Order: sequence, then structure tokens, then C-alpha cells
Amino acid sequence: QQPVQSPQAVILREGEDAVINCSSSKALYSVHWYRQKHGEAPVFLMILLKGGEQKGHEKISASFNEKKQQSSLYLTASQLSYSGTYFCGTEIPDSWGKFQFGAGTQVVVTP
Amino acid sequence: NAGVTQTPKFQVLKTGQSMTLQCAQDMNHNSMYWYRQDPGMGLRLIYYSASEGTTDKGEVPNGYNVSRLNKREFSLRLESAAPSQTSVYFCASTRPGGITEAFFGQGTRLTVV
Repeated sequence: QQPVQSPQAVILREGEDAVINCSSSKALYSVHWYRQKHGEAPVFLMILLKGGEQKGHEKISASFNEKKQQSSLYLTASQLSYSGTYFCGTEIPDSWGKFQFGAGTQVVVTP
Repeated sequence: NAGVTQTPKFQVLKTGQSMTLQCAQDMNHNSMYWYRQDPGMGLRLIYYSASEGTTDKGEVPNGYNVSRLNKREFSLRLESAAPSQTSVYFCASTRPGGITEAFFGQGTRLTVV
């Protein structure tokens, strides 16, 4: 039931772009994105609601395709500070408040 | 404003021992959650509480019990610890009013030997 994230890991050079995907086998009510630095707690990035809404945080944006039950996170012109593990969290209509997280995508941005 | 506070930060237990992980939030949030984080598996929901006085099982509740003591506090108890419960535990909370972000505590790193 956990959403599936891909890729598992990505290595970027500063300034490069990357896409992280999150897909679910169930219809989604919302998708959340979080970033976790090593040894720290996950930190909220953004929420997307059904309707294909696209949001942004710094040069990080995301889209949500309700019909395909998937969301994508776009890291544009990556910075060293973007390094960390990115998690998508999903909420399904019949389990209000029960967020389920993907296994995470480790992002390493190098100089 | 402390946010979500977890205690302890680190703990080593022997197999069969019991302990309680404490979590408190000072943001007047209604919903609170306990997750465990294992390498390659992300965050898995153990239990959650939509409001004071209610609790519900998540994906991996076996071996755990919870208590929503009041609106601020949500504790997680391991009655008889097992090595499989070695993990990093995170408490989180969300404010009322619909779809909102989760605020996480700093985590408890638990090792069961």
C-alpha cells in the first residue's frame, strides 16, 4: 500500500535537473512531499491536492496527476542544499489522516 | 515554540525489556502519529490519533501500544522489545482544518540487543 518512488537514488552536479516520481495503486486525495537531511527529521516541502495542481518551493516544484495516481517532484538548477532524502506521502479518501510514505529517493548534489 | 518534542533521543534496550517513548506538541494540533523509519523502507505508520481519546492502527502496529494522554501528548509503548524493533521512531502532528503538513519530532534512535 505504500506509494512507490523512483528512482531510489540520484547523483547530480550543481545546476542540473532531476525528477522524482511517486505512484500509488489507489486513488489519492492528496500528495505531500518532504525532505530529510541525514540525522534530522523530515521537513515539509509542499502539498498537492487532486486536480493536477502544481506547486513550487524555491526551485523545487511538483505536479499531481489524479487520473494516473502519481505525482512528480522537479528539482530545477539543483543546489548543494538540495541534498537529502525525498519522501512522498499519500492520503487516500477512505483513510483520512493516515499518511503513507514511500521508501524515499536519496539525492546527492555535488559541486 | 518547541513544536514536537520526543524523548528520549537515544535508547538501548535488552530483548524483553519494556519502555515508553514520549511525544508532546505545543501547537494545539489535533492529530498525532508514530512512525518508524528503517533503511530502504521509508516511514511506516505504527499508530495514529485523530483527536484526543481516539487511536487507530497503522501499517505496522504489532508489538506496540499507544496512549493519547491529552491533546498534547501521544506515547508509544513497547511491552517486550525485540531486535526487529530496532529503528528510528518519529512522532508527528498535524493541525486541524483539513489537509495540512505534518510536523515531525527529532526522532528516537532505539536499539534492541
